Amino acid sequence: GAVVSQHPSWVICKSGTSVKIECRSLDFQATTMFWYRQFPKQSLMLMATSNEGSKATYEQGVEKDKFLINHASLTLSTLTVTSAHPEDSSFYICSASPRAGANVLTFGAGSRLTVL
Amino acid sequence: QKEVEQNSGPLSVPEGAIASLNCTYSDRVSQSFFWYRQYSGKSPELIMSIYSNGDKEDGRFTAQLNKASQYVSLLIRDSQPSDSATYLCAVNKKGGGSNYKLTFGKGTLLTVNP
Repeated sequence: GAVVSQHPSWVICKSGTSVKIECRSLDFQATTMFWYRQFPKQSLMLMATSNEGSKATYEQGVEKDKFLINHASLTLSTLTVTSAHPEDSSFYICSASPRAGANVLTFGAGSRLTVL
Repeated sequence: QKEVEQNSGPLSVPEGAIASLNCTYSDRVSQSFFWYRQYSGKSPELIMSIYSNGDKEDGRFTAQLNKASQYVSLLIRDSQPSDSATYLCAVNKKGGGSNYKLTFGKGTLLTVNP
């Protein structure tokens, strides 16, 4: 079945530093990947849609200059949290669909970011 | 009005009972509906998808959809302690271009007591 790999699974960093999270589709090509964020006891909130070879589409209220998304290949999307602050501490989850335009998503295992 | 609403629970049922989870959505143009299970500290995993009115059964799980009432539910028969998790209702509607965007509810925490 479709597998999405996410790395790292957890990361701790100091305030002001940048953190990169990778999302890979292991056995399928994904022209579109989605990045979600989940705070404790809250729902998953879509941050942005990552499109291979073009700019990401950000949801309202998500700072595109702070959350940099690069989708350079059909199997890899990266999310970089720049100048991280404690309020950026969250569970970041990527997802992708094995079929373009399809609406069934496979999720990565998630990356828990803690900013000190 | 929130786009996808769920009772946050917790919902507690004894082992072997039927657990009933409910969800309402606000956007009538929503096309696809999903139930995900999320264990604490883990990412969601798909349990059921449903696209048309009526019931859809898969093993111990039954999803029910009523588009007129904008309501979707999940029944879990013969509940097991391993079913204890947060269940997320998700609704899919077309976003920009051909991308479909999933909107999640906050989830209902289910506890199955041995």
